[in-house]
Amino acid sequence: AQSVAQPEDQVNVAEGNPLTVKCTYSVSGNPYLFWYVQYPNRGLQFLLKYITGDNLVKGSYGFEAEFNKSQTSFHLKKPSALVSDSALYFCAVRDWGATGRRALTFGSGTRLQVQP
Amino acid sequence: NAGVTQTPKFRVLKTGQSMTLLCAQDMNHEYMYWYRQDPGMGLRLIHYSVGEGTTAKGEVPDGYNVSRLKKQNFLLGLESAAPSQTSVYFCASSEHKAGGLTDTQYFGPGTRLTVL
Repeated sequence: AQSVAQPEDQVNVAEGNPLTVKCTYSVSGNPYLFWYVQYPNRGLQFLLKYITGDNLVKGSYGFEAEFNKSQTSFHLKKPSALVSDSALYFCAVRDWGATGRRALTFGSGTRLQVQP
Repeated sequence: NAGVTQTPKFRVLKTGQSMTLLCAQDMNHEYMYWYRQDPGMGLRLIHYSVGEGTTAKGEVPDGYNVSRLKKQNFLLGLESAAPSQTSVYFCASSEHKAGGLTDTQYFGPGTRLTVL
């Protein structure tokens, strides 16, 4: 079975500073990894994904994530945080269980607060 | 192109009542999913469908039923609502192609359900 851990419930960062939201995973098959963002009272929006290739993945709104196979991590990063980045962030891994399922297993989420 | 839509946005039920949540997607996606989101637990898969006329159970299927009579619609039913089903419900859809390149899921805005 696959699992995702987001060790920080909340991350606080000052506007303009770099931010990192941590994610580690466990999966029996290939690690297809995703980051989603959720703004208050909204659905989840896709940010970026790692399927194969370059370990540094670039996504929407200036976010990027670094895939590290040896550490089984997929941390989300941004060089300069904006107040508007404040939201709930979810890391997810593709399910390799039942044939054809292709669902995602999500972490518990990390709330990012960017202070002005 | 509306993407994934959900009806209704909010609902309050009494214990024992029944209701159906509707999810519709206009992206011609094969795969559709129902998740529930509870505080501190991320999203958990209730049921999913890999195509019209097919459904399967996810991690937390008890108390729910689903139907996929049309490719674009995925219905989630609660036959006898319980307070433990108070949650935010999200529908998602994704394409079906080999290689994982299309495993990105697109989410609806959610339905906030309260069972008294």
